[in-house]
Amino acid sequence: AQSVTQLDSQVPVFEEAPVELRCNYSSSVSVYLFWYVQYPNQGLQLLLKYLSGSTLVESINGFEAEFNKSQTSFHLRKPSVHISDTAEYFCAVSLRGGSNYKLTFGKGTLLTVNP
Amino acid sequence: DVKVTQSSRYLVKRTGEKVFLECVQDMDHENMFWYRQDPGLGLRLIYFSYDVKMKEKGDIPEGYSVSREKKERFSLILESASTNQTSMYLCASSLEGPSYEQYFGPGTRLTVT
Repeated sequence: AQSVTQLDSQVPVFEEAPVELRCNYSSSVSVYLFWYVQYPNQGLQLLLKYLSGSTLVESINGFEAEFNKSQTSFHLRKPSVHISDTAEYFCAVSLRGGSNYKLTFGKGTLLTVNP
Repeated sequence: DVKVTQSSRYLVKRTGEKVFLECVQDMDHENMFWYRQDPGLGLRLIYFSYDVKMKEKGDIPEGYSVSREKKERFSLILESASTNQTSMYLCASSLEGPSYEQYFGPGTRLTVT
């Protein structure tokens, strides 16, 4: 069975500082990788995903994540954060070629951006 | 604009009551999911459905059942609510296939007293 580990439960940073949210996964088969974001009092929404091709994927609001197969990681980074990036971030995986379409989520990382 | 709606944002029920949580999607998605979200535990899958009247157990199905009579509607049923079912419940839907993103509703915060 697959699993996802988010190494930090909380990450406080100051505005305009860089940030990295770490995600490692374990799976015996190839996976698709996702980052979801949950703003306060809202449901989750997709931030970015890696399906194939270039290992570096970007979101429209300046986040990026890099798939590292050898380290089974998919860390999320942003060079300069804003107050509005305060949210909980979830890393998730699904199995390639599987008939089971479920996502396995990490426990989440709460990013708090302070002025 | 894609949309997943849930019948209530907040719900308070008593122990032993039968509770229905409703979810509706307007995207003609094949797959629908019910999760519960608890602090420090992330999202855990309760049940999912890949077609009308079809369902599969997720990771924590005990104490829950589901119903999908129409493609756009997926209901979560707590047959006899207990205090340990106090949680945030999130519904999601997606197209068929593991590479497609899931679209989430805003959630229902259920308190069982």
